[in-house]
Amino acid sequence: NAGVTQTPKFQVLKTGQSMTLQCAQDMNHEYMSWYRQDPGMGLRLIHYSVGAGITDQGEVPNGYNVSRSTTEDFPLRLLSAAPSQTSVYFCASSPTSLLVPEQYFGPGTRLTVT
Amino acid sequence: AQKVTQAQTEISVVEKEDVTLDCVYETRDTTYYLFWYKQPPSGELVFLIRRNSFDEQNEISGRYSWNFQKSTSSFNFTITASQVVDSAVYFCALSEGGSNYKLTFGKGTLLTVNP
Repeated sequence: NAGVTQTPKFQVLKTGQSMTLQCAQDMNHEYMSWYRQDPGMGLRLIHYSVGAGITDQGEVPNGYNVSRSTTEDFPLRLLSAAPSQTSVYFCASSPTSLLVPEQYFGPGTRLTVT
Repeated sequence: AQKVTQAQTEISVVEKEDVTLDCVYETRDTTYYLFWYKQPPSGELVFLIRRNSFDEQNEISGRYSWNFQKSTSSFNFTITASQVVDSAVYFCALSEGGSNYKLTFGKGTLLTVNP
């Protein structure tokens, strides 16, 4: 199993550009989430999904769109990048069974918006 | 709203010292989970433990131990005989409604273990 994969690892954008951060998991997990990590702020939930076709907003959803057409993929779209979106983005997945205790995190994407 | 407070921003210790990382949480849920994650300098997030709100037993795993006290809404983490490899940012997190997928994180504590 590859676990949770994220691409790209690094990205530099200019203000106003759009891009999609990719996230995929091969563990057949129903739940997937996107977090952003800013210095001194911990991780904050952007959007999450409880299954294909179902998404919802987290704590900091503004400026981001998501969709979940398959169980495996959960892309995060920035429609018009802003410097305030400079951050490290983590994707995570977890199964519906609470017998599995953890969320599995991807390696992260470091995004810089100039 | 849920909240997790890690009041210690940075801690520096000398190798072999014991160190406790504090975590205080707020929630209105009666069912919830508490987590600790480690983020080493390489940047990945490493799961350490999950504890549910109905289980106040302390847990020990090697040099790591966790003390959960509902009366004070705290879930503290102690590293015994710290090692340089323990140097990392440690995050405490709280899940909503007993889920595993909507975590509220604290701001993290940077632990530096000096040789």
